[in-house]
Amino acid sequence: GESVGLHLPTLSVQEGDNSIINCAYSNSASDYFIWYKQESGKGPQFIIDIRSNMDKRQGQRVTVLLNKTVKHLSLQIAATQPGDSAVYFCAENPAYSGGGADGLTFGKGTHLIIQP
Amino acid sequence: ETGVTQSPTHLIKTRGQQVTLRCSSQSGHNTVSWYQQALGQGPQFIFQYYREEENGRGNFPPRFSGLQFPNYSSELNVNALELDDSALYLCASSLWDRASGNTIYFGEGSWLTVV
Repeated sequence: GESVGLHLPTLSVQEGDNSIINCAYSNSASDYFIWYKQESGKGPQFIIDIRSNMDKRQGQRVTVLLNKTVKHLSLQIAATQPGDSAVYFCAENPAYSGGGADGLTFGKGTHLIIQP
Repeated sequence: ETGVTQSPTHLIKTRGQQVTLRCSSQSGHNTVSWYQQALGQGPQFIFQYYREEENGRGNFPPRFSGLQFPNYSSELNVNALELDDSALYLCASSLWDRASGNTIYFGEGSWLTVV
């Protein structure tokens, strides 16, 4: 099976509410994680990343939480807006310290739908 | 804007043909990687080039090959195209840095349809 997976394929939230997208990974050697947003017909857009020596990292309206004990990653989006509608992927890279030669492993993605 | 540009954006090829996709990396990035994304799936790692040499490869057959040039631009070549090769091909560039890690930026991709 995939080493990175998402719990829900579709998440529907009300505009203005907070969104939480979850991700589980199985490779304990992974030490670098990235969240990407992909809009229809476009390439993945970098949102935020986190290294394994951190538990939390915040960006503009987004927060990533990493729980290494249970191998769980989450992306929180505050005050969700219509422009946040997209597919969100988490990705892991087990070769952070070596330059990423193993490439990123992506899950299937979660489709975030914003209800007006 | 990620600074990663790909061409062509769309193309149609016939089964058995060969295709070359091109990528211009973000300025200063020394690492480029290629991914295949089938419809409804996450991207799958094909291979990575660092300073003009392949230094990592995913589970793709040898008919998928690549090049990285001194200016860090790159090509993905696929020979003997099969119908299942129809997908979005993504180029990503990065500059590994001890302080900031290996942030990887993607281009908008090249849509390949094999008929």
